[in-house]
Amino acid sequence: DGGITQSPKYLFRKEGQNVTLSCEQNLNHDAMYWYRQDPGQGLRLIYYSQIVNDFQKGDIAEGYSVSREKKESFPLTVTSAQKNPTAFYLCASSIPRLGGTDTQYFGPGTRLTVL
Amino acid sequence: AQSVAQPEDQVNVAEGNPLTVKCTYSVSGNPYLFWYVQYPNRGLQFLLKYITGDNLVKGSYGFEAEFNKSQTSFHLKKPSALVSDSALYFCAVRDLDSNYQLIWGAGTKLIIKP
Repeated sequence: DGGITQSPKYLFRKEGQNVTLSCEQNLNHDAMYWYRQDPGQGLRLIYYSQIVNDFQKGDIAEGYSVSREKKESFPLTVTSAQKNPTAFYLCASSIPRLGGTDTQYFGPGTRLTVL
Repeated sequence: AQSVAQPEDQVNVAEGNPLTVKCTYSVSGNPYLFWYVQYPNRGLQFLLKYITGDNLVKGSYGFEAEFNKSQTSFHLKKPSALVSDSALYFCAVRDLDSNYQLIWGAGTKLIIKP
């Protein structure tokens, strides 16, 4: 899992609450990503950021928000608007390369459960 | 649109036997292909990637993958399976039409029996 940390490892949320998942990396990577993983499905991209103070929506951004105020940090907020937030959330980072040849490296994940 | 498929939900192999985890892809240009492994309740670990060059790519933990352009496949292989290889394996392809984001297969559960 190398220099990417995610916290907490497990998170429980009541319906109607917003929760924030932390992702920190010390790899000096410019790009960071948030994915959602559900059983039997591939990873789905929520948001990504290629540079500080800039980020783009992925395929399933509705009900989520992010910020990128520092290169090392890319927190994800799961809002009450996300109808089915129970999932395993994975953060990744990479050094962007022209043509998309870069490798993404992943953190250990946060398992979010809605009570 | 780019896509990737892992046709097997689960693969069972006896320890010591060779293993293959299948991946096929569909892209409009040159494919950039990746394999990752995930152990239970853990993040994904990078195994190997194909960008260009030699069709046989060697990666971590004794794994290798063979790029076959005519069959649009990128199967993951290992000559002799270990029980510790039991995990979930994901194939991914770079989406050149969508800002180079990764498109992921659904994953294949590999079970190595002693």
